[in-house]
Amino acid sequence: AQKVTQAQTEISVVEKEDVTLDCVYETRDTTYYLFWYKQPPSGELVFLIRRNSFDEQNEISGRYSWNFQKSTSSFNFTITASQVVDSAVYFCALSDENRDDKIIFGKGTRLHILP
Amino acid sequence: DTAVSQTPKYLVTQMGNDKSIKCEQNLGHDTMYWYKQDSKKFLKIMFSYNNKELIINETVPNRFSPKSPDKAHLNLHINSLELGDSAVYFCASSPPPGLAGGRATGELFFGEGSRLTVL
Repeated sequence: AQKVTQAQTEISVVEKEDVTLDCVYETRDTTYYLFWYKQPPSGELVFLIRRNSFDEQNEISGRYSWNFQKSTSSFNFTITASQVVDSAVYFCALSDENRDDKIIFGKGTRLHILP
Repeated sequence: DTAVSQTPKYLVTQMGNDKSIKCEQNLGHDTMYWYKQDSKKFLKIMFSYNNKELIINETVPNRFSPKSPDKAHLNLHINSLELGDSAVYFCASSPPPGLAGGRATGELFFGEGSRLTVL
């Protein structure tokens, strides 16, 4: 069965600190996609990244970076030099082409960046 | 131009009533979804449609009936509303697949959400 676990329900850090959000997934399939989405206090859901199961290269986008490790079934998200605007709920998600593109979300990690 | 738009954004109603939420996307995507987000922020898929065809029906009660008149629209009708239906309902669409295949890429473009409160 597919499952996404975000063990950290809530994290608070002081601005400019680095923070890593953990995501562990379960799937029996060899072809799948992993995602991160951001939901700021305003409520909209914003796509951040998609990674397919064949591409284990880490990705960096500005202050954001993602570490995909198939060996540990993890897809962690790091924010470097955090800013107050990074405060949001972050969701990790998984989809599998063999299940009609059903995208399963983790329960989210609420991140507070304190000024 | 809003890519995925939902109406209404807020809905307050009494138990037992019937209500609808409309969703339209102007991105040309083939796949559309309804997700429910509860008070604990948990996002759960309800339905997906690909080019007007129902693909996913995630054991949602029969009181919920999606309708897709064309691939740009996916509406959600809820009969006999219950207290537990209170949530934010998000519509989303997804681009067609690239070389990897599948019906959609999984990259979701969400609407702003419709907050339903059942009293």
